Amino acid sequence: DAGITQSPRYKITETGRQVTLMCHQTWSHSYMFWYRQDLGHGLRLIYYSAAADITDKGEVPDGYVVSRSKTENFPLTLESATRSQTSVYFCASSESQGQGRGYTFGSGTRLTVV
Amino acid sequence: AQSVTQPDIHITVSEGASLELRCNYSYGATPYLFWYVQSPGQGLQLLLKYFSGDTLVQGIKGFEAEFKRSQSSFNLRKPSVHWSDAAEYFCAVGAGAGKSTFGDGTTLTVKP
Repeated sequence: DAGITQSPRYKITETGRQVTLMCHQTWSHSYMFWYRQDLGHGLRLIYYSAAADITDKGEVPDGYVVSRSKTENFPLTLESATRSQTSVYFCASSESQGQGRGYTFGSGTRLTVV
Repeated sequence: AQSVTQPDIHITVSEGASLELRCNYSYGATPYLFWYVQSPGQGLQLLLKYFSGDTLVQGIKGFEAEFKRSQSSFNLRKPSVHWSDAAEYFCAVGAGAGKSTFGDGTTLTVKP
């Protein structure tokens, strides 16, 4: 099915481990985004990408790394997971005229760091 | 920098009653404005968007929103709420490079 797919849906990891959250979209949208959702904080932008090989920091990038070698994939890596990174992570994509189109969101990854 | 405020954390309405969710934004230019809905355990779904033209915009699921520049508001409305409308609602303002800033959300509970 066409759309935006996040994997895994649920992940439990230990403090200090590296973990990668995957995001794949089938529309060839130029823009892709990673947000985290925490109670009381709404959605906060971690990283975004305007095209393949173009990425930039958002509001809360510390402790995260992204790459975008192909238009359709935008993985998010936690280099050394901390408990404060326990959250629900959402990937989103948008067409080239991103400002006016709004986002299409994935279903999210619930990450627990123990 | 742009910002969005949703003053109501939680709203409860009876089924069949009208609904208005408030959103105030801060942005230096003409904003792109959005409303999204999130059902439990799901991602966000775009309800409607505004950039220019008619200040009253229609969206999916029977929702509408009105842009009021003088009040920096973009309130979401529905004339008659259904039990399936219970969800969390997010207002967002579009910024440069396609980025959006989201409010903290309003949780809607619908009483039978």
